[in-house]
Parts: sequence; structure tokens; C-alpha cells
Amino acid sequence: GAVVSQHPSWVICKSGTSVKIECRSLDFQATTMFWYRQFPKQSLMLMATSNEGSKATYEQGVEKDKFLINHASLTLSTLTVTSAHPEDSSFYICSAAKRLEQYFGPGTRLTVT
Amino acid sequence: GQNIDQPTEMTATEGAIVQINCTYQTSGFNGLFWYQQHAGEAPTFLSYNVLDGLEEKGRFSSFLSRSKGYSYLLLKELQMKDSASYLCAVYGGSQGNLIFGKGTKLSVKP
Repeated sequence: GAVVSQHPSWVICKSGTSVKIECRSLDFQATTMFWYRQFPKQSLMLMATSNEGSKATYEQGVEKDKFLINHASLTLSTLTVTSAHPEDSSFYICSAAKRLEQYFGPGTRLTVT
Repeated sequence: GQNIDQPTEMTATEGAIVQINCTYQTSGFNGLFWYQQHAGEAPTFLSYNVLDGLEEKGRFSSFLSRSKGYSYLLLKELQMKDSASYLCAVYGGSQGNLIFGKGTKLSVKP
């Protein structure tokens, strides 16, 4: 199988604080993980590509200093939303690549008040 | 540029067959994926085509024509639980990432 977990499933935080989201591949090693964001009724938008042991590659328009990505091991990538604002409220989904297939985590719903 | 088009919404009847089309124009192509996404949940993998032709998996089939930049997902014997968004995604970004269409929201009526 290929199972990807995310933690937390949902989080509510106050404006100005930081939130860390973890993405783990449970039964396989993933050299590449992807972070997506999905606003209501919209499709998934790729935020960044995370490669183990190197700096993440961010998509155009995504602030790398605001969305910190760390891919410290072959099974764990983290996304930290720094100085969160209400407009950062969204559904954040990670995926881990196993050969050509991507397996998605269950997502993290972030609400910034 | 990168462009993936699919209908926004479709409605079908329980027990029927529905075809969801997807056309794409991308700078690279290493395969086309279909995902199912229920509201509030992450996408789940349905099918993958890399060569032209039809791939069948139970009630779901997916077709690809690379020369036409076209794919479709065929759902047979529709069930109420098939009500979901269906995402067409092309594997071909510069980082080997998936490029997603906006999804087709399918509503299955009794």
C-alpha cells in the first residue's frame, strides 16, 4: 500500500501566529512531496515541491518566507504557515510521490481567526 | 502555458453511465490521472493513462488520446456515493508535479 498521513486534521489559530503541518509517508519512502492548497469550490493549487535534503521549489506567487517547508527525512515533510492571516484559511493537502503516482494525505483544514 | 479543461458540473441518474471529458495543453506530458474528491476530503486515485487507449478498472474506465490532448473518465452503474468532484490531472510539470484541472462536480440523482 501507500499511505500518507497529515497532522493535524484541522487547526484554528489566531492571526499572527504560526502553524506547523506534518506530512508523513507511512509505508514507503518519498524523495519528493508536494504541498497543495485548495480554497472552497476550487481545484488544488500546487504551492511547492519538497525534495528530501534540499530546498523546496515554490510556485510563482507563493511566498517562501511565509510558507516554510522542511523535508528532513524520506518520510516526513513539514509546512509551517508563519504569521498567519485570515486569508491563509484553506485546506492544505500534501502528497508523496511513489514512482509516477502521487498519494495524497487526508488534508489539514486551517482556520485563522 | 498549462491548461486543463473539464466541465464544471454534471448530473446523472443512479444506475446510468456518465462520461467526464478532459482536454489538456501542457508543456510536458508523462501521464494523465483521474482523482475522485468528496467534499472536505483529499483526492483519491482512480486511474492513470500514459499510453493511448482505454484502461478499465471495475466500474471506472479512462481513455487517453495524446495526439488530441484528450481524455475521458467513464463511470458505469452509477451509485449515489459516486457524487463527488472528479479531477483530471496531467503529470508533466517541470518538477514532475501534477497539474490539476478545476474538477467536475458530479451529482447522481435517484
